[in-house]
Amino acid sequence: GESVGLHLPTLSVQEGDNSIINCAYSNSASDYFIWYKQESGKGPQFIIDIRSNMDKRQGQRVTVLLNKTVKHLSLQIAATQPGDSAVYFCAERRRTDKLIFGTGTRLQVFP
Amino acid sequence: DVKVTQSSRYLVKRTGEKVFLECVQDMDHENMFWYRQDPGLGLRLIYFSYDVKMKEKGDIPEGYSVSREKKERFSLILESASTNQTSMYLCASRALGGQPQHFGDGTRLSIL
Repeated sequence: GESVGLHLPTLSVQEGDNSIINCAYSNSASDYFIWYKQESGKGPQFIIDIRSNMDKRQGQRVTVLLNKTVKHLSLQIAATQPGDSAVYFCAERRRTDKLIFGTGTRLQVFP
Repeated sequence: DVKVTQSSRYLVKRTGEKVFLECVQDMDHENMFWYRQDPGLGLRLIYFSYDVKMKEKGDIPEGYSVSREKKERFSLILESASTNQTSMYLCASRALGGQPQHFGDGTRLSIL
C-alpha cells in the first residue's frame, strides 16, 4: 500500500453509520479551511471548504463544522459507504495565502 | 472538471542524477504548486508560481528548482538527486485568488 497511510490515526466505522473526523488548527488568523480526501494511489481530492465567517457548511452527505473558539474543524460524513474509505486531511489558509496541511486521518469502513 | 496531470506515476533514479518532474493543468490557472508528501509530515510546499516565469520558494526549497515557461506547465527539478528526496510529489493548481487547489495524482519518486 501507499506509505502515506503509515502512522496515521484511524477511524473505523460500520457501513451506514455516520463518521466524524476531527482536525485542530493552530493559527487563529486562518480565514479559510478545506477538507481533502485521498484514496490510495491518488492525489488529494477536494471535498468541502468553509470560510472563517461561517460555523457550518453542508454538501452532499458531508458537513463541515468550524469552532473558532477552540480552533477545531470537523468533517461529518452521513451514511458512510465503502467508497468513503480513504485518508482525510484538513488544510488552513493563513495570511500568506499558503495552505498548511494536517497529517490526516484514515477512515476505514467495514460491512 | 479541472485536470492536473503529472507525467509519471512512478520514477526510479540514482543519486546525483538531475531529475525532472512535469505537471500540466488544463484550466488556464495562474497559480501552480509543488508539494512533497511524507508519512507523518503531511504535505509540505516546495515551490509555487503565481504566473508564467514567476516562482516563489515554499517551505522546503533546498535541493529543488522549478521552471514555468508556459502557463499550463510547471516543472520541478532535482538538481542532484539524493536519497532523502525519495518521496511522493504532488502538483496542484488554482485560479488567481481562487480556491481550492486541485491536485494531480502524484509521482512516487525513489532515489537509489
